[in-house]
Amino acid sequence: DTAVSQTPKYLVTQMGNDKSIKCEQNLGHDTMYWYKQDSKKFLKIMFSYNNKELIINETVPNRFSPKSPDKAHLNLHINSLELGDSAVYFCASSPFGAGFQETQYFGPGTRLLVL
Amino acid sequence: AQKVTQAQTEISVVEKEDVTLDCVYETRDTTYYLFWYKQPPSGELVFLIRRNSFDEQNEISGRYSWNFQKSTSSFNFTITASQVVDSAVYFCALSEASQGGSEKLVFGKGTKLTVNP
Repeated sequence: DTAVSQTPKYLVTQMGNDKSIKCEQNLGHDTMYWYKQDSKKFLKIMFSYNNKELIINETVPNRFSPKSPDKAHLNLHINSLELGDSAVYFCASSPFGAGFQETQYFGPGTRLLVL
Repeated sequence: AQKVTQAQTEISVVEKEDVTLDCVYETRDTTYYLFWYKQPPSGELVFLIRRNSFDEQNEISGRYSWNFQKSTSSFNFTITASQVVDSAVYFCALSEASQGGSEKLVFGKGTKLTVNP
């Protein structure tokens, strides 16, 4: 009964490939996020979705495309992978904040290594 | 722009010592929320505490305590009688409201705590 789950946990791939990471939450939350943690452990938001609608889109290359088929799922597709995409990608979810800035709960992370 | 500074990159202590992790933030908002997360060596991000800007009371949870001081824009985290299992990277974060009601967390760079037996 994991609250926020991600698959796969590890992803090793070659430059130029296309890959997807899936995220699911069973908390009934309205909002989901993708964060990237680089090799220096710095965490930065990439996207957020509220009830399947894109809300936040930070300055992320358009090779990254999030998709939310329903409010419990938020997937991240990455085209033409580059070496610099190697990182840990975290999915998170929270109840709809409406200004109350609710707690975000994170998935276990997906470690992506681009060779 | 909002900013979170964790000046201590790494701290090493011996078990049973008390240790304080510093967090200083910058924001122009009058209403904001502060968070601490723990990232153990296994890699997951574990939520520890959420505090809103109107609540300056200190909080204690077991061996953990937090000191929020608006006057100095600080939200420091103290672990009393540290244990080896406390070894982790600890992140302080500030919640920034955005359009559409969704918020994003602005994280500090983290403090790596090593507790030696």
